Amino acid sequence: IQLTQSPAFLSASVGDRVTITCRASQDISNFLAWYHQKPGKAPNLLIYIASTLQRGVPSRFSGSGSGTEFTLTISSLQPEDFGTYYCQELNDYPRSFGQGTKLEIK
Amino acid sequence: QVQLQQWGAGLLKPSETLTLTCVVYGGSFSGYYWSWIRQPPGRGLEWIGEVNHSGTTKYDPSLKSRVTISLDMSKSQFSLNMTSVTAADTAVYYCARGAPGGRRWFDPWGQGTLVTVSS
Repeated sequence: IQLTQSPAFLSASVGDRVTITCRASQDISNFLAWYHQKPGKAPNLLIYIASTLQRGVPSRFSGSGSGTEFTLTISSLQPEDFGTYYCQELNDYPRSFGQGTKLEIK
Repeated sequence: QVQLQQWGAGLLKPSETLTLTCVVYGGSFSGYYWSWIRQPPGRGLEWIGEVNHSGTTKYDPSLKSRVTISLDMSKSQFSLNMTSVTAADTAVYYCARGAPGGRRWFDPWGQGTLVTVSS
């Protein structure tokens, strides 16, 4: 299964609403997760099963979608949200990730 | 709260064997899937493989011939061995806990180990 994220790069201001898209090459139902990675750090799980917020993750993060198209939304961008965001499909082997969306804070 | 701490050699020569170990603090092995994931410099995440509490393994097909993931529950740790490394194996390697059941999201992750393959 191939995952394609868009955009590859995003620049936004604090307080902006930000949306990242992940498209799957075939129907994966709602079996998708989202991660946030800061430079030099391990990825951090944000959302699983497309829309379930991981414990401890701020409520400004939300996920939606099913089938082949998914979105990650940050409702009000904060300075600590810079970094790279990855989607991951949960449906099949080998486990695959999207290529990443790099988010820069203006 | 489960924490993963990993270690291993960071500099290898081509054809050598990569060995990394990940210790699990504060949690049980049962029911979970213990994975290795790598990230080449400036690139995205690549799943290497996993082992469950029964010792059952699955690997990425492109790496399967060179990779072994094993579990030592008595020491609360699991390990990655990758033989015949080349420069293409240069990456940050992460250990991670995969969710139980058929849907495998990863949380938590180890801190990462940079492995450089160079002559």
